[in-house]
Amino acid sequence: AQKITQTQPGMFVQEKEAVTLDCTYDTSDQSYGLFWYKQPSSGEMIFLIYQGSYDEQNATEGRYSLNFQKARKSANLVISASQLGDSAMYFCAMRDPVGDDKIIFGKGTRLHILP
Amino acid sequence: NAGVTQTPKFRVLKTGQSMTLLCAQDMNHEYMYWYRQDPGMGLRLIHYSVGEGTTAKGEVPDGYNVSRLKKQNFLLGLESAAPSQTSVYFCASSKGRFNNEQFFGPGTRLTVL
Repeated sequence: AQKITQTQPGMFVQEKEAVTLDCTYDTSDQSYGLFWYKQPSSGEMIFLIYQGSYDEQNATEGRYSLNFQKARKSANLVISASQLGDSAMYFCAMRDPVGDDKIIFGKGTRLHILP
Repeated sequence: NAGVTQTPKFRVLKTGQSMTLLCAQDMNHEYMYWYRQDPGMGLRLIHYSVGEGTTAKGEVPDGYNVSRLKKQNFLLGLESAAPSQTSVYFCASSKGRFNNEQFFGPGTRLTVL
């Protein structure tokens, strides 16, 4: 069965520093997709970044990048130059397009950016 | 484009009452999903649909039923609500297989007394 693990329930980071949020996954499939979502205190889910299992390069979107290490089954989110507005819950998720196409989420990491 | 909308936004039920949550999307997406979010548990998939007229069970389907009679709508039903179903419910949609992004609704906060 697929599984997503986020081992950091909470993190505190000084503003302007870079931060890495950990995500490991478990799947027996070769083709899959990995996502990161942000959930601010207002509650909405905001899509940040996507990485396909066959993508050769790490995905980047502005200040967000995904450190994809396929052999280690990890897909860590890196936020460069953190801002106060980055304080939120962050969820890692995985999609299995070959199987029944479900998307499953990790339990999340709450990030606090300190001024 | 309204994107993904959910009604109602808030609801309080008594144990044993029934209700239906409505999710609507105007993006012509094939796939739709219902999740529940509980503190410390992340988002757990309840049911999902890969197209009009189809539904499938997710991780936590017990106590819920769904229907996808129209492509744009995905209904989540609670036939006999229980306090354990107190949660925030999110609906999401995506274009289909091999597409990257899910679009989420704003959520419905349900309390069962």
